[in-house]
Amino acid sequence: AQKVTQAQTEISVVEKEDVTLDCVYETRDTTYYLFWYKQPPSGELVFLIRRNSFDEQNEISGRYSWNFQKSTSSFNFTITASQVVDSAVYFCALSDPDTGRRALTFGSGTRLQVQP
Amino acid sequence: NAGVMQNPRHLVRRRGQEARLRCSPMKGHSHVYWYRQLPEEGLKFMVYLQKENIIDESGMPKERFSAEFPKEGPSILRIQQVVRGDSAAYFCASSSDSGNQPQHFGDGTRLSIL
Repeated sequence: AQKVTQAQTEISVVEKEDVTLDCVYETRDTTYYLFWYKQPPSGELVFLIRRNSFDEQNEISGRYSWNFQKSTSSFNFTITASQVVDSAVYFCALSDPDTGRRALTFGSGTRLQVQP
Repeated sequence: NAGVMQNPRHLVRRRGQEARLRCSPMKGHSHVYWYRQLPEEGLKFMVYLQKENIIDESGMPKERFSAEFPKEGPSILRIQQVVRGDSAAYFCASSSDSGNQPQHFGDGTRLSIL
């Protein structure tokens, strides 16, 4: 069975600090996809990134960066120079599209509070 | 905006009533997924449908809950005889035929049971 663990329930930082959100996953499959979503206070889900299990290159998008380490089954998310608008709940998720079950398995989320 | 459309955004029902939640997938998407988010929790998969077919309903309660995705029109998640524990945010996502595509989510329906 698939499982996603986000051990950090809540993180509070001061604006301009860097912050890393941890994500550890479990799967028996060799082909899978990892995702990060942001859920701001308004409640919608905002897609941030999808990563293929065969692509271990780190990715950077503006202030966001992702570190995928297959050896430790981790897919961590770093926000550099955090801003108040980054305050949200962040979810890591895992899918295995090559099987009949295409559903995403979500972690329990990490609530990030960025103080001004 | 041709994203996943869900309505209503908020729905209030009394115990025992029926709730109908609607989801129109992104244009060109034929796969629909429903998830439930209980307060302060992550999203949990409920059901996966393609046009006119339920592919996987392993996450959906066996009683009172049903889902459909007809040939024409939106996907419907139906909850009969609602109870307080059904209060949650229900999210719909869609994807194209290819399993490589990310799942785009609607803004969700917040269901409150009085």
